[in-house]
Amino acid sequence: DARVTQTPRHKVTEMGQEVTMRCQPILGHNTVFWYRQTMMQGLELLAYFRNRAPLDDSGMPKDRFSAEMPDATLATLKIQPSEPRDSAVYFCASGAGTGNTEAFFGQGTRLTVV
Amino acid sequence: GQNIDQPTEMTATEGAIVQINCTYQTSGFNGLFWYQQHAGEAPTFLSYNVLDGLEEKGRFSSFLSRSKGYSYLLLKELQMKDSASYLCAVRGTGYSTLTFGKGTMLLVSP
Repeated sequence: DARVTQTPRHKVTEMGQEVTMRCQPILGHNTVFWYRQTMMQGLELLAYFRNRAPLDDSGMPKDRFSAEMPDATLATLKIQPSEPRDSAVYFCASGAGTGNTEAFFGQGTRLTVV
Repeated sequence: GQNIDQPTEMTATEGAIVQINCTYQTSGFNGLFWYQQHAGEAPTFLSYNVLDGLEEKGRFSSFLSRSKGYSYLLLKELQMKDSASYLCAVRGTGYSTLTFGKGTMLLVSP
């Protein structure tokens, strides 16, 4: 059953705490995306990796957010320190990287910062 | 940059046909995608267009006009389970990232 797996599914944390979200892309996929979804902004691209190399993180606040791919089976998104405005659903998606292939989304991490 | 517009909400009746429009302005174009997202769930892929014309897949069809920067998703024989948000997304050239519109919330009533 090929799917993108994200952990945790839900996270409630206090302002100022560090938050780490994890993603296991579909085996064999070489592109990984991190998106943030809010009611106001919809789905916003935060970071994009191809073959584990970051190609685009222009949508990510650099002062507090960081994204990495320690290996081909794990992508992480870290927020330090977290703020209430970071409350959103964070989706990871992976794809095969060719033009006509879609991105497959994980179930998301619902983050609430209080 | 990329700008994608779609209506915020639409309503329709079970059994009817509904067309959800999407217009886009992009610095590069390498395909247009439609995704469906039920409340509290992940977006799931519906269709892909890269050439002009209509792509049909069961009850769902998607149309693209690159010269007009326009696409629509056509849903036929609407069912209650089609109530969801429908997201239009454009793939740019180069990095192959997907930029999403804010989605159209479709409510299907009996």
